[in-house]
Parts: sequence; C-alpha cells; structure tokens
Amino acid sequence: ILNVEQSPQSLHVQEGDSTNFTCSFPSSNFYALHWYRWETAKSPEALFVMTLNGDEKKKGRISATLNTKEGYSYLYIKGSQPEDSATYLCAFFSGSARQLTFGSGTQLTVLP
Amino acid sequence: DTGVSQNPRHKITKRGQNVTFRCDPISEHNRLYWYRQTLGQGPEFLTYFQNEAQLEKSRLLSDRFSAERPKGSFSTLEIQRTEQGDSAMYLCASTLGLADDTDTQYFGPGTRLTVL
Repeated sequence: ILNVEQSPQSLHVQEGDSTNFTCSFPSSNFYALHWYRWETAKSPEALFVMTLNGDEKKKGRISATLNTKEGYSYLYIKGSQPEDSATYLCAFFSGSARQLTFGSGTQLTVLP
Repeated sequence: DTGVSQNPRHKITKRGQNVTFRCDPISEHNRLYWYRQTLGQGPEFLTYFQNEAQLEKSRLLSDRFSAERPKGSFSTLEIQRTEQGDSAMYLCASTLGLADDTDTQYFGPGTRLTVL
C-alpha cells in the first residue's frame, strides 16, 4: 500500500501572507506527482503535473517544487487571497500501482 | 458547460436499497475513472474504463458495486444493498487517455451518498 502524506492537515492564514505545504511520497518507482485544488461544492481542479526531479512549476501566485530522490513536493502560495481557500490535494503515480494515490489534503483558509 | 458532470449531486437512501450514479465525461475523453472520498481522506481509486472496457478494479470495489460504460461515453456506478459504510463522495474523472501517469484528470463535482 502506497502512503502519500500531506502536512499540515489544515491551516489558517491572513490575506497577504505567503504559505506553503508539503506532500511526501515513496521515492521508489516514481512516475509523476499531481497537485489539485478542491474548493467546497466544486470539482477538484488540476494545478500541476510534475515528473522530473528538481521540477518547478508556476501558475500565477502558486508554485510547486519536486524532489523525487527524497520523495517530497512543496506547494507555495504567495500573497494568499480569500479565493485561495480550498483543499489542496497531491496525488502520486507509481510504476507499481499504475493509478493515482491521493494524500488526504491540506485545507487552507485565508482570512480577509 | 463542457466539463465532467455527475448526477445526482446528492443521494440519501436507506440501508439495503440500491443506488445508481451517472457520470458524463468530457466528450473527446476516452478514459473514465471512479473514485470514492470519505471524510478526512483523499479520493481513493475504484475503477476505470478505456472507452467501454473496464480495465481495472480496486479491491475496494466489493461485489455489491458494479460500473458500466456501455457505449464508451457516460458511465454508471451502481451500489446494491447499500451499507452505512458506503456513505461517501463518489467522484468521476475523465482524461484523453494519452499517458496514464501524466494525463490531467478532469473531475466532476461528485455525488454525495448518505446511507441512513
């Protein structure tokens, strides 16, 4: 059974703060790491797909880094806004499972 | 809206009843996935289709669960003799089916099932 851990489980930040969270995954048999944002009552929305060690991706104020050798990815949000409030999920694709294995998510609340 | 749609959005049923959910994927997507998400957990893979062929089923999918995609377009997930442990959000996602590992999965809004 593959274990994908996300931390923290939840956090509250003030509008304008920058924040980051972690996704940890098994470092063996790595294929890809996905990040999704899931706002309440909406569909999960893809943010990034990352495959190479050292990869960095950016979308507006959100960016992500990947370390496949040690098995972690960081998601950063710069200057958080209330509309960034959502659950951020990471999902790991391995050569053994051949399906996405999701972490339990980090629930972010940005207070105005 | 050309995204993934799911119906119904909410379903409340009594234990022992059968329920069926529907997923309409993005039209040009040939791969369709079903996931289950319980409180405090991330989505867990249940099964997926390549066109009309069901290619993989998770051990989570007991014999009370069945999924179909008869014409390679919409899919249905049926749960027979529902149990309280089946209460969850059931998510559907579709992809172009080009690469298992890097295809972006486009999710529907889910069907929330409550079994009383």
